[in-house]
Amino acid sequence: ELKVEQNPLFLSMQEEKNYTIYCNYSTTSDRLYWYRQDPGKSLESLFVLLSNGAVKQEGRLMASLDTKARLSTLHITAAVHDLSATYFCAVDMNTGNTPLVFGKGTRLSVIA
Amino acid sequence: EAGVVQSPRYKIIEKKQPVAFWCNPISGHNTLYWYRQNLGQGPELLIRYENEEAVDDSQLPKDRFSAERLKGVDSTLKIQPAELGDSAVYLCASSYNRGMDGYTFGSGTRLTVV
Repeated sequence: ELKVEQNPLFLSMQEEKNYTIYCNYSTTSDRLYWYRQDPGKSLESLFVLLSNGAVKQEGRLMASLDTKARLSTLHITAAVHDLSATYFCAVDMNTGNTPLVFGKGTRLSVIA
Repeated sequence: EAGVVQSPRYKIIEKKQPVAFWCNPISGHNTLYWYRQNLGQGPELLIRYENEEAVDDSQLPKDRFSAERLKGVDSTLKIQPAELGDSAVYLCASSYNRGMDGYTFGSGTRLTVV
């Protein structure tokens, strides 16, 4: 059974600081997805990582995937208040025969 | 492109009443998913369709939940009768080529059972 764990679950960080959110998963896969969810809103796709060593960056966010370690990271650089949201990682199997399995999410709060 | 469209956005019902949710996926997306998201949790799959066929419904509480996907396009999810514990956000998502291009989620239906 595929399991996805994120940490931390809650993160309060100051503006302009850097931090990393970690996502571990239990079964071999090289397909990992990061989503952002604002309160009361749906899931917004941030990154799709489809191979070992994949690295993608958008603005102050950078995601990477290490399939051998079964680990993905979401790095936040010089945080700003607008990044406050809940961030989910999700994994599915290479075959595409299994659906996305989500972590519990990391609730990020960026404070001045 | 309209994205994945869901309705209604909000629904409040009394327990034991029936309720239905509707989803229109992105045109051309052959796979459709219904997820349930409890407060403070990640979404969990209820059912997955490949075209018209339900290929994974192992997490669907079949005693009260049912779903259909007519002509491999729109889908409805029904609960009858609803229980207090069914209060959650019900998300519909669709994908092409089993997620190789990612998954797109709708805005969800927030169900409150009182």
